Amino acid sequence: DGGITQSPKYLFRKEGQNVTLSCEQNLNHDAMYWYRQDPGQGLRLIYYSQIVNDFQKGDIAEGYSVSREKKESFPLTVTSAQKNPTAFYLCASSTSPSRGRLGQPQHFGDGTRLSIL
Amino acid sequence: AQKITQTQPGMFVQEKEAVTLDCTYDTSDQSYGLFWYKQPSSGEMIFLIYQGSYDEQNATEGRYSLNFQKARKSANLVISASQLGDSAMYFCAMRDVKTSYDKVIFGPGTSLSVIP
Repeated sequence: DGGITQSPKYLFRKEGQNVTLSCEQNLNHDAMYWYRQDPGQGLRLIYYSQIVNDFQKGDIAEGYSVSREKKESFPLTVTSAQKNPTAFYLCASSTSPSRGRLGQPQHFGDGTRLSIL
Repeated sequence: AQKITQTQPGMFVQEKEAVTLDCTYDTSDQSYGLFWYKQPSSGEMIFLIYQGSYDEQNATEGRYSLNFQKARKSANLVISASQLGDSAMYFCAMRDVKTSYDKVIFGPGTSLSVIP
């Protein structure tokens, strides 16, 4: 079945360490997104990408980096510069609305819970 | 700047009753899309319903309907005949399409509890 796979489900980061969260989709979607969700809060956009080799900063990009070398993959690196990384991270994808499909919803992965050791 | 407001942090509803979850948005664009998602305690995001800014009729999907009032910039979700499984967080989201980027923003969410 088509969908979005995030791994790992749980991740622990040591002080000063960079960690990478994986996001893979087989839905043939052009657009991919990373969100951060803190307890009891909404989703805040970290980065998004509309096409391979291109991505844009969201509202809270500081301390994070991404790459989009393949259409299917959009990994997120949480760097040591991110001082408060403990959160639930959600990856999403969708058909690009630039192709006239404004109403296409985002499809989400099951998320990664990141904690500091 | 674009913004989504959900003024009800928590709501309670009796099983089998209807409930309305509020959402107001702010945008200067004419073309945009509004979405509602459900997030159970397990964390996954489930798409419920969509309303386009140019749609003349309110969207409906089974027990979900959207009360869209464009002049007031509101897009309230109505859940009819509430079920225990409806207990979850509900998020309103807006998609704003410009030629150079595609951005989706979410509101802070409303926690719905269905009481037996």
